[in-house]
Amino acid sequence: QSVLTQSPSASGTPGQRVTISCSGSSSNIGSNYVYWYQHLPGTAPKLLIYENNQRPSGVPDRFSGSKSDTSASLAISGLRSEDEADYYCAAWDDTLSGLWVFGGGTKLTVL
Amino acid sequence: EVQLLGSGGGLVQPGGSLRLSCAASGFTFTNYAMSWIRQAPGKGLEWVSGISGPGGTTDYADSVKGRFTISRDNSKNTLYLQMTNLRADDTAIYYCAKVSAVVVAAHHHDYWGQGTLVTVSS
Repeated sequence: QSVLTQSPSASGTPGQRVTISCSGSSSNIGSNYVYWYQHLPGTAPKLLIYENNQRPSGVPDRFSGSKSDTSASLAISGLRSEDEADYYCAAWDDTLSGLWVFGGGTKLTVL
Repeated sequence: EVQLLGSGGGLVQPGGSLRLSCAASGFTFTNYAMSWIRQAPGKGLEWVSGISGPGGTTDYADSVKGRFTISRDNSKNTLYLQMTNLRADDTAIYYCAKVSAVVVAAHHHDYWGQGTLVTVSS
């Protein structure tokens, strides 16, 4: 059971906008930044969004992140077939000595 | 270009040991903390352990504390994870990841390796 909660699956057709959600608590999302990773099985996970809504260089502006209280969202607009992947949210958790926590992942299917 | 190449995975019996390595290049290794993060079959990601850039500070998830030891050799730009008393639920792909700062706490992982598979089974 992952500390951060994500829906296991999402889908959309090319060109559509899809949103992936991530729910946490006051000790993680509620008090720290949220990060999003894109992962194609067999490859290295890729940083997609950092500090809630910042994109690393090279990440298209079709990807955007937001955070409110203890929840966060990743939005993908103008959906493309190559966006089909697993998406994970992450946050630092202040519980006890602190640690990184992740969501269980959302598998995005482009129909 | 940042590159992280993990190795050392394989099949090991319950109670056995294994050492993972991660060779890093493309950045000044000693200036950045590193982590090991794993993904069990059909499961999400789990942070396992982290170590500061100079190597003096280490942290572990409760699930591996006392059984795993993280270390680094900054002269060889290599990260290690010594795993002992392995259990079936340690079966996972293990990823090494570069942290965006010299300490792990609250600084994100900006680059990941492709992972090495560890299977614990008799």
